[in-house]
Amino acid sequence: AQSVTQLDSQVPVFEEAPVELRCNYSSSVSVYLFWYVQYPNQGLQLLLKYLSGSTLVESINGFEAEFNKSQTSFHLRKPSVHISDTAEYFCANHHPVQYNNDMRFGAGTRLTVKP
Amino acid sequence: DSGVTQTPKHLITATGQRVTLRCSPRSGDLSVYWYQQSLDQGLQFLIQYYNGEERAKGNILERFSAQQFPDLHSELNLSSLELGDSALYFCASSVGLAGDYNEQFFGPGTRLTVL
Repeated sequence: AQSVTQLDSQVPVFEEAPVELRCNYSSSVSVYLFWYVQYPNQGLQLLLKYLSGSTLVESINGFEAEFNKSQTSFHLRKPSVHISDTAEYFCANHHPVQYNNDMRFGAGTRLTVKP
Repeated sequence: DSGVTQTPKHLITATGQRVTLRCSPRSGDLSVYWYQQSLDQGLQFLIQYYNGEERAKGNILERFSAQQFPDLHSELNLSSLELGDSALYFCASSVGLAGDYNEQFFGPGTRLTVL
């Protein structure tokens, strides 16, 4: 079985403050983990992904996430947020074809950056 | 712009009716995925097609069906609509099977409102 839990439904922060959006996964098989961002009235965009290798992955706009197998976590962090980072963020877990080939999303975390 | 197109953008219909949502994948992508995003159930994977064949099934109701045509566009058919079917329906596409993970690119979605 697999599931993804995003521990915070809403995270309000002030501009230039650091932020951490928490994600825990539950899986007994190999996992691929992702963070997607959804801006208002838009579809989902891939922010970053962990497939294998280095446990720290980075996006082009300053976000990073660390895969922690012992804590089954994949938290998303940014040291200094901008107003434009206001969006909904989804953590997702994917299993390859031999394990049903489906993508499971967390409930989402709404990040609101205030001036 | 992800390259995935969905029509219509908005759809308003009545309970008991049937609607068809259309998705055109990115050029060269063989896999199409359908997702439902609702307030109470979050973002859920419905079904995946690869090169015309069904490859994976998620939480798709029996009243819903999908197909992928030879030109690789896909349609999601929703019948006997209920109020609870009101949601944002996303289509995503990827190059191939997600076994080795191919990034999924999401369309802008179709917002379905059932009155």
